[in-house]
Amino acid sequence: EIVLTQSPGTLSLSPGERATLSCRASQSVRGNYLAWYQQKPGQAPRLLIYSASSRATGIPDRFSGSGSGTDFTLTISRLEPEDFAVYYCQQHGSSPWTFGQGTKVEIK
Amino acid sequence: QLQLQESGSGLVKPSQTLSLTCAVSGGSISSGGYSWSWIRQAPGKGLEWIGYIYHSGTSYYNPSLKSRVTMSVDRSNNQFSLKLTSVTAADTAVYYCVRNNPFDVWGQGTMVTVSS
Repeated sequence: EIVLTQSPGTLSLSPGERATLSCRASQSVRGNYLAWYQQKPGQAPRLLIYSASSRATGIPDRFSGSGSGTDFTLTISRLEPEDFAVYYCQQHGSSPWTFGQGTKVEIK
Repeated sequence: QLQLQESGSGLVKPSQTLSLTCAVSGGSISSGGYSWSWIRQAPGKGLEWIGYIYHSGTSYYNPSLKSRVTMSVDRSNNQFSLKLTSVTAADTAVYYCVRNNPFDVWGQGTMVTVSS
């Protein structure tokens, strides 16, 4: 099973700042099948990025993904008020599919 | 627009079986070659993938739950289902049904509490 470790656990930033979230895999993610999700309280997660760097439909271009192998990054170029939430990475290259533990982006 | 809606028992007694159904609307469960997953989230915790099923009935379960999980599909009613046996308090969670692409369409989730 691939273990995904996200860092930091919490990121305290102000609107307009840049957010950089990390996701490290315990072994290489096959095909770079790494996705990122955003979850707000009381809501289902929303797909942001798939295949490490492709934006899902309707996702603003301030969200970008990068990385390969075992190291992946989600970048939010300029935080908007609606971006404060919990973010999860997830790999679907090897079964069982697994999630990271999440990074909370909170308002500073 | 594709929509998923979970339904089922919200309160289950320990050792009993949790049963949930996901109704798919706005599209056919049999089209596009997609598989369909169940994912759960314990209160205040992260996400756990339970398993997936294709419209053909082919399924794959998370090894951590495999001995207790059964998924099925009902093509005529455009829905798929989850059964989890021998539940304990650790199975208390919000359960989501999701389309795998990878996980691009989610149901709103349904809270299941295991308690006597």
